[in-house]
Amino acid sequence: GDSVTQMEGPVTLSEEAFLTINCTYTATGYPSLFWYVQYPGEGLQLLLKATKADDKGSNKGFEATYRKETTSFHLEKGSVQVSDSAVYFCALTLPYGGATNKLIFGTGTLLAVQP
Amino acid sequence: NAGVTQTPKFRVLKTGQSMTLLCAQDMNHEYMYWYRQDPGMGLRLIHYSVGEGTTAKGEVPDGYNVSRLKKQNFLLGLESAAPSQTSVYFCASSYMGRTEAFFGQGTRLTVV
Repeated sequence: GDSVTQMEGPVTLSEEAFLTINCTYTATGYPSLFWYVQYPGEGLQLLLKATKADDKGSNKGFEATYRKETTSFHLEKGSVQVSDSAVYFCALTLPYGGATNKLIFGTGTLLAVQP
Repeated sequence: NAGVTQTPKFRVLKTGQSMTLLCAQDMNHEYMYWYRQDPGMGLRLIHYSVGEGTTAKGEVPDGYNVSRLKKQNFLLGLESAAPSQTSVYFCASSYMGRTEAFFGQGTRLTVV
């Protein structure tokens, strides 16, 4: 069935290190892809999104490119900060309409950035 | 800007008790969702609604009921709470299914 797989955490990095969090998906057709971020004690917030193949989503220094050939949407940031410490969720919505439109989430990846 | 508001934020229930979680959104969104978040399992969809008066089952609907009598509100009910329903519950809404979802702050429920 339709699903999202992301790398398990926790990911622990030093400040200013390069970040990659892997995300791959299984879906029929062309889903929309999202990265959400959850800071401690809060709900999820949209970080970035891409709606078609080869689109690049970007926000707050984070980037992810929709790769249909590898069914991937990996999250990257060139230089992480302590304030980036959070749980990151990869998600998709399915391409067909009606009642099946709903977000499908990965299990989340905890990022801990140390000063 | 209120966005999506969940009440209550915390609750402790005894096994067998009932309760209702309220979700309210002020963005005129058609779609609303209830998720539960458990360690190591990400977010799992309980029920969702694609418009006023409609509801549908998600991945883990057993033990829960929902109602969407008004477009802005989506209620999640537990008729007879069980310890397995201890979790953090999130409500979300979106304009359409393929657009971004906006989340509430969550309700931490403990069933003892």
